[in-house]
Amino acid sequence: GAVVSQHPSRVICKSGTSVKIECRSLDFQATTMFWYRQFPKQSLMLMATSNEGSKATYEQGVEKDKFLINHASLTLSTLTVTSAHPEDSSFYICSADRSGSEAFFGQGTRLTVV
Amino acid sequence: DAKTTQPTSMDCAEGRAANLPCNHSTISGNEYVYWYRQIHSQGPQYIIHGLKNNETNEMASLIITEDRKSSTLILPHATLRDTAVYYCIVSDGVGDYKLSFGAGTTVTVRA
Repeated sequence: GAVVSQHPSRVICKSGTSVKIECRSLDFQATTMFWYRQFPKQSLMLMATSNEGSKATYEQGVEKDKFLINHASLTLSTLTVTSAHPEDSSFYICSADRSGSEAFFGQGTRLTVV
Repeated sequence: DAKTTQPTSMDCAEGRAANLPCNHSTISGNEYVYWYRQIHSQGPQYIIHGLKNNETNEMASLIITEDRKSSTLILPHATLRDTAVYYCIVSDGVGDYKLSFGAGTTVTVRA
């Protein structure tokens, strides 16, 4: 089956620094990828839609200047959490859209800001 | 807003079938029913999806009522590794897999 890979799986960073998370579709091209965030004991919340070659579309309440998304190729989208603070600590998950099929999810990235 | 309603939790015995219900009374004609599960600290895993016919794959069966207002996911022989949160999602699935996750059902398989 299709595989979506996220890197890193875990990251700890200091408050005020930036962290980049990568999402790769390994065996298919994805024109659209999605970024979700999940806080403990809560469900996944969509943050933004990443479109190859164009600007990302952010959900209401998500700061686009804080969560920078780049989808420079058909197999890679990146999410950069800028000037991270402890409240940004969360589980970040991406998914990739393979046309004509279901969405495939990455394994998630656990971000801890200290 | 999630378009589905699921029980908060359920227990089932190892080796027995697990039947997970989902209500989606406002589903529209072009929307599919998708099931995903999330094992602790992992990304969601696709299980199965259907439009109006019942579907079966190596993981599960999906039974959709004739009026499409509800469905049941069946895990035929639950194992301890099936313990997870199960999400029932409706989506038109046409080039836009922006999925809206509800709270899901926390399924605990007990030995």
